Amino acid sequence: EAGVVQSPRYKIIEKKQPVAFWCNPISGHNTLYWYLQNLGQGPELLIRYENEEAVDDSQLPKDRFSAERLKGVDSTLKIQPAELGDSAVYLCASSLWSSYSEQFFGPGTRLTVL
Amino acid sequence: AQTVTQSQPEMSVQEAETVTLSCTYDTSESDYYLFWYKQPPSRQMILVIRQEAYKQQNATENRFSVNFQKAAKSFSLKISDSQLGDAAMYFCAYRSAGLSGSSNTGKLIFGQGTTLQVKP
Repeated sequence: EAGVVQSPRYKIIEKKQPVAFWCNPISGHNTLYWYLQNLGQGPELLIRYENEEAVDDSQLPKDRFSAERLKGVDSTLKIQPAELGDSAVYLCASSLWSSYSEQFFGPGTRLTVL
Repeated sequence: AQTVTQSQPEMSVQEAETVTLSCTYDTSESDYYLFWYKQPPSRQMILVIRQEAYKQQNATENRFSVNFQKAAKSFSLKISDSQLGDAAMYFCAYRSAGLSGSSNTGKLIFGQGTTLQVKP
C-alpha cells in the first residue's frame, strides 16, 4: 500500500513569491493534517481536514497561508507571498479518522526562502 | 493548553546498550494518548510506540518500551539492544482522546525532540 505522498520534496524560492505544496494521503483516510516543522523543532499543526472540511485551522496564518481539500482526497497548501521565516519542512499526515487512528506521515517538503 | 517537554537535546548510546529518553507533559485532561515518533534524516516520521492514558500497563514493542507515570506526567522511552538503525531524532507527542468533532481531536502536540546517536 502506498504511503502519504508529498511533492515537491524540495523547493527554493525568492521571498514574496508564491509556493504550493501537494499531498496525497493514504487511500481511504478521511483525515488529513498539515504540520510545520522548523529546524530542530517538533512539528506543529497548521490545519486538519475531516474529508473536505477544515475542522481545525486555528494555527494557520490566514493572511498568507491557504489550504484546500476540494474532493476530500488530496490537498494543497499555499503560501502567498512567502517570507524568509517560512523556511521550514511542511509535513502532511493522514489517518482513517482523527479519533484513535494512527497518523501516517509523508516525507515532507523542505522550503527554502531566499 | 497541553505542553510536551523533552529536556535532552542529544543523547548517545553504544551499540547493543540500553538508552532512555525522557519526556514530561502537562495536561488537565484525564484521557489522552502518548506517542514516541522516530524521524531519521530522511524525514519520514514513524510511530515507534503508543500508550493510552487509561492503561496502567506500560506499552512494549520489541526492543522499545515506555515507563508511563501518569501522576508524575512522565513518559520515557527505553531502547534496548540499540542498533545503528536506531539513530534518529525522537519526538514525544501528546494527543487528546476526544470525539471526532472536537477541535483538539487528532492534533498531535510534539516535544522539541531528542537526537539519538548510536556509536558502533
